[in-house]
Amino acid sequence: QVQLQESGPGLVKASETLSLTCAVSGYSISSGYYWGWIRQPPGKGLEWIGSIHHSGSTYYNPSLKSRVTISVDTSKNQFSLKLSSVTAADTAVYYCARHRDREYFQHWGQGTLVTVSS
Amino acid sequence: SYELTQPPSVSVSPGQTASITCSGDTLGDKFAYWYQQKPGQSPVLVIYQDSKRPSGIPERFSGSNSGNTATLTISGTQAMDEADYYCQAWDSSTALYVFGTGTKVTVL
Repeated sequence: QVQLQESGPGLVKASETLSLTCAVSGYSISSGYYWGWIRQPPGKGLEWIGSIHHSGSTYYNPSLKSRVTISVDTSKNQFSLKLSSVTAADTAVYYCARHRDREYFQHWGQGTLVTVSS
Repeated sequence: SYELTQPPSVSVSPGQTASITCSGDTLGDKFAYWYQQKPGQSPVLVIYQDSKRPSGIPERFSGSNSGNTATLTISGTQAMDEADYYCQAWDSSTALYVFGTGTKVTVL
């Protein structure tokens, strides 16, 4: 059974870069599927941030594209998110997930709350 | 940008049927997916490709999609079904995974 676990700082200062890692177990990233990041501000809905394939190909939400970088480390079976120039609006629970290309998110991590402080 | 609109809330009595709609331009031409999210938990996929149920999802969950509206139906609703539900689709024109606005289902 595939499992995903997010990790990273829970508090980031405004204007700095948010960095999170998603460790995958029970499935090799190199075997396929896409690996994505989704966020959810407190009390609000879900927003897709971006995704990566094990080959390294990426695609991002156009509204965040200028600030987002997603990378993969197949040797560690993990992938990472960097979001630059954060503001209070970036405060959210960040989830990593495995998904089928252009379809659905089947496996999710437990999520990690990141708060942007001024 | 592509948008998916859901009613903010739906109330249902135990044992009755709850229907949650998701509206978007020509949504019927895309696949619709549905997630259940309970407080403090990650979303769980309950319907994929309009009407298919993942393994482990009870038969009381069903889905349909036509025209501009996708619908998630919960038959014989149970107290454990109280949660937020989100629809989702892939918009090829913007290369964007879009989530609906979310619906809180209350079992009275």
